[in-house]
Amino acid sequence: AQSVTQLGSHVSVSEGALVLLRCNYSSSVPPYLFWYVQYPNQGLQLLLKYTTGATLVKGINGFEAEFKKSETSFHLTKPSAHMSDAAEYFCAVSPLTGGYQKVTFGIGTKLQVIP
Amino acid sequence: DGGITQSPKYLFRKEGQNVTLSCEQNLNHDAMYWYRQDPGQGLRLIYYSQIVNDFQKGDIAEGYSVSREKKESFPLTVTSAQKNPTAFYLCASTKGQQYNYGYTFGSGTRLTVV
Repeated sequence: AQSVTQLGSHVSVSEGALVLLRCNYSSSVPPYLFWYVQYPNQGLQLLLKYTTGATLVKGINGFEAEFKKSETSFHLTKPSAHMSDAAEYFCAVSPLTGGYQKVTFGIGTKLQVIP
Repeated sequence: DGGITQSPKYLFRKEGQNVTLSCEQNLNHDAMYWYRQDPGQGLRLIYYSQIVNDFQKGDIAEGYSVSREKKESFPLTVTSAQKNPTAFYLCASTKGQQYNYGYTFGSGTRLTVV
């Protein structure tokens, strides 16, 4: 079985401050890991993904995440928050095996950016 | 531009009524999915289809039905058996049958029971 835990359902940062959204996972096999962003009343958009190879993954809009196997973590960061980053962020995990693989989503973290 | 189109954006259902949510994609993706989103619960898989004329139940399929007669289309019917259908419904697709590409999502349909 696999699971995803996002620490903090709401995170507030000041504009220009570091954004850190936490994601820990459990998986019995090596995972694929994803971060998605959702703006109000919209679908989810893929920010970045880790499959294999380099553990530091760069995504769109200046976000990046680092896969740390020893800590079973995949935290999302951005050096300087913009007002446009206010949205809900979802971490997701899928096992790295053949055939159909179920994707498990976290419950989401709402990011508020304070002017 | 390629993408996924969900319609309608807002839908109201009366008690005992079946309603159908539309999902169309022009990405030439093989696999399509329906998720339900409720506040504080993340996304839960309703049904998925990896090829035409084949689909599988997800975690919360009771009270829902789907069809996959064309590669581009994967409509979801919310039946009267679904007792708590008020939610945000998201359709998604992936290239091939692997998930390492990530999902492409539609913009969602918000269903409300009146």
